[in-house]
Amino acid sequence: KQEVTQIPAALSVPEGENLVLNCSFTDSAIYNLQWFRQDPGKGLTSLLLIQSSQREQTSGRLNASLDKSSGRSTLYIAASQPGDSATYLCAVNGASNYQLIWGAGTKLIIKP
Amino acid sequence: NAGVMQNPRHLVRRRGQEARLRCSPMKGHSHVYWYRQLPEEGLKFMVYLQKENIIDESGMPKERFSAEFPKEGPSILRIQQVVRGDSAAYFCASSPTGVSNQPQHFGDGTRLSIL
Repeated sequence: KQEVTQIPAALSVPEGENLVLNCSFTDSAIYNLQWFRQDPGKGLTSLLLIQSSQREQTSGRLNASLDKSSGRSTLYIAASQPGDSATYLCAVNGASNYQLIWGAGTKLIIKP
Repeated sequence: NAGVMQNPRHLVRRRGQEARLRCSPMKGHSHVYWYRQLPEEGLKFMVYLQKENIIDESGMPKERFSAEFPKEGPSILRIQQVVRGDSAAYFCASSPTGVSNQPQHFGDGTRLSIL
């Protein structure tokens, strides 16, 4: 059974710092992995999707990597800003080909 | 190009009432997924539907919950005889097809509160 874990559960850093969020999964048989952002009381915004054949994806200040063999993904945020404060969720698309399995998220606070 | 639309955004029901949650997928998307996020927990898959078909309802409780995606109109998640434990955020996502290389696009969710 696929399980997704995100560490840390919460993170608070000063503005301008680079930071890394971690996601691990127990079954390496995945089709893809997605990183999402969730603001309080709001919906989910897809940030990056990495296919199982890819090693990384970049969008602006965000870079996501995938090491399928070790069951790990990282989300790197460069030059953090207060507007980056949110909960970041990672989800894997496993053997079912559509059912996303979610981590519990990392709550990120960027201090001005 | 409107995204996934869910309504209502907030829904309050008393125990024993029925709750109906609606989801209109993005234009051109014929695949819909429902997820539930319980307080302080991660999202859990509930059901996957295509137009007029339920493909996988393995994540949906066997009793009181049902889902449909008719030929015309939005997808509906229906909860009968609601209980306090049904209080959660319910998210709908859509995709143009069910293949793995396409992301699921999410709505803003419906926050259901049971009094």
